[in-house]
Amino acid sequence: DAMVIQNPRYQVTQFGKPVTLSCSQTLNHNVMYWYQQKSSQAPKLLFHYYDKDFNNEADTPDNFQSRRPNTSFCFLDIRSPGLGDAAMYLCATSRGDRGPDEQYFGPGTRLTVT
Amino acid sequence: QQQVKQSPQSLIVQKGGISIINCAYENTAFDYFPWYQQFPGKGPALLIAIRPDVSEKKEGRFTISFNKSAKQFSLHIMDSQPGDSATYFCAASRSNFGNEKLTFGTGTRLTIIP
Repeated sequence: DAMVIQNPRYQVTQFGKPVTLSCSQTLNHNVMYWYQQKSSQAPKLLFHYYDKDFNNEADTPDNFQSRRPNTSFCFLDIRSPGLGDAAMYLCATSRGDRGPDEQYFGPGTRLTVT
Repeated sequence: QQQVKQSPQSLIVQKGGISIINCAYENTAFDYFPWYQQFPGKGPALLIAIRPDVSEKKEGRFTISFNKSAKQFSLHIMDSQPGDSATYFCAASRSNFGNEKLTFGTGTRLTIIP
């Protein structure tokens, strides 16, 4: 009964080689978020979708892109990963229709850049 | 003004003791204050949350105390258990028509020793 599913759980990519991380949800939530979390740090919001509306954080590098083809799926594309992009990437969802509310996080994808 | 300051950075408590983690915020527009618990290699999970119309909320061994005038809130874990050993993040959010975003504190690594 997993609610927010992330694939793969572990991803190894080479410096500069594009990589795509996947997130799917069974909650039918309007909002989907992507966070980057480095070791011993808080999650850092990269961007989020409210339905089809994309909201980018001002300090998210252009190297990071996202797609949401339908309500259930959201993808994070890293066009040219650098060593500094090695991190845990967390997907989260929320209802989005009743003000601030619980965000449901997936288990994360651990990205290693070699 | 968007920051949430969290302390302490790490905390060691004996089994059966009370764990206390504190957070402070500046933005008076924040109207939702959740605490998330994160185990190593997992995504954060909502532990308990409070809205500013109440000063305290209790769920089992976990209590949030909220002081609106001081712009502070804290998590109390009663009868702390080894299974509570995790990283705890406070957060804050404000109503924004479905575009709510969490501002996380820096996290507290809690260790419960036998």
